[in-house]
Amino acid sequence: EVVLTQSPATLSLSPGERATLSCRASQSVDNFLAWYQQKPGQAPRLLIYDASNRATGIPARFSGSGSGTDFTLTISSLEPEDFAIYYCHQRDNWPPLTFGGGTKVEI
Amino acid sequence: QVQLVESGGGVVQAGRSLRLSCAASGFTFKTYGVHWVRQAPGKGLEWVTFISNDGNIKYYIDSVKGRFTISRDNSRNTVYLEMSSLRPEDTAVYFCAKDHDNGSGEFDYWGQGTLVTVSS
Repeated sequence: EVVLTQSPATLSLSPGERATLSCRASQSVDNFLAWYQQKPGQAPRLLIYDASNRATGIPARFSGSGSGTDFTLTISSLEPEDFAIYYCHQRDNWPPLTFGGGTKVEI
Repeated sequence: QVQLVESGGGVVQAGRSLRLSCAASGFTFKTYGVHWVRQAPGKGLEWVTFISNDGNIKYYIDSVKGRFTISRDNSRNTVYLEMSSLRPEDTAVYFCAKDHDNGSGEFDYWGQGTLVTVSS
């Protein structure tokens, strides 16, 4: 099973600042890594797929990078609606599909 | 637009059974695989199971093998999750999620979830 480790667990920032979230895999997942955003009481929303491709309708301030075992989600300038929990997810080696533990971006 | 609507959640005693449904619309249902993903209260996401477009391929996480069964009815555009021998640790919001293809492992659309509470 591929274990995904996200850091930091919590990121405290202000609107307008840059957010950098990390996801590390226990073995290579090639570029089959996605990022999801989840707000309280809502379903997750796909932001980035295959490490660096923005999903439909996702603003350009969200970007993803990395391959192999180390990945980054960057939010270039935080908007108030971006404060949420972010999860990474790998689909290179499954079953099982696995998620990271999440990073909470808080004000 | 793509919609996934879960139903069937509720409070159930440990050891009992429950069946969840996921009704899909807005896409050609018989073409795509579907997953169930759960989230325990205050915790992260956990993939549970997958069914292929024709129902012939099914995968499960180890902790539910032998207890949960996924199925689908393409004439009703619905996926089911039959859960038996429920345990308190199965308490979670259960989301169904559409696969981007038919086994890509990528979730492109999610339902809003249905809460299952297993009491001891």
